[in-house]
Amino acid sequence: QLQLQESGPGLVKPSETLSLTCTVSGDSISSSTYYWGWIRQPPGKGLEWIGSISHSGSTYYNPTLKSRVSISVDTSKKQFSLKLSSVTAADTAVHYCARQKAHSYRVDWFDPWGQGTLVTVSS
Amino acid sequence: QSVLTQPPSVSGAPGQRVTISCTGSSSNIGAGYDVHWYQQLPGTAPKLLIYDNNNRPSGVPDRFSGSKSGTSASLAITGLQAEDETDYYCQSYDSSLSGSVFGGGTQLTVL
Repeated sequence: QLQLQESGPGLVKPSETLSLTCTVSGDSISSSTYYWGWIRQPPGKGLEWIGSISHSGSTYYNPTLKSRVSISVDTSKKQFSLKLSSVTAADTAVHYCARQKAHSYRVDWFDPWGQGTLVTVSS
Repeated sequence: QSVLTQPPSVSGAPGQRVTISCTGSSSNIGAGYDVHWYQQLPGTAPKLLIYDNNNRPSGVPDRFSGSKSGTSASLAITGLQAEDETDYYCQSYDSSLSGSVFGGGTQLTVL
């Protein structure tokens, strides 16, 4: 059964870079029918898609975050990672990683999801 | 402001039927892209409830169903139960943004 687990610092200082890693277990990360995505949820608010990456490194990014986001993949470790630069308090959120169904020209539903990890931006 | 619009809240009595709407535009739902629905229980990760407009993953009760028409989609829940009281989100693909978009979420209250 596929499982995803987020890891990384729970506290980041303003203006610094948020870094998280998602480790995939129970199945291959190299399937061409899936991408691997990051989604965040500020406390008490809704879901916001951050970006997604394929096993070969092709990416989709949320345009509103694109200038600050970088997503990478390491298939040998079955991990993909998120970096968000120049963070502010507005970036405080629970961050989820998830597998995303992919087609030739779009990405679709997310399933399964990791349990999520709260990252707080504060000095 | 979310690209997909959902009502902030809906309510219904046990046993009743409720629907949650998800309104998009010509660059997402109206362009023919599929709509997916998630259920998020308090303190937990979202769970895929409906995919590709009207398909249920294994284990999801048939009380949950989805539909799509034009630039909108709907999630219907029949035989409402107390355990259904939680948050629901719709999601689709947007060609103008070249990425995934979510609705703002709807809180369902079982009266």
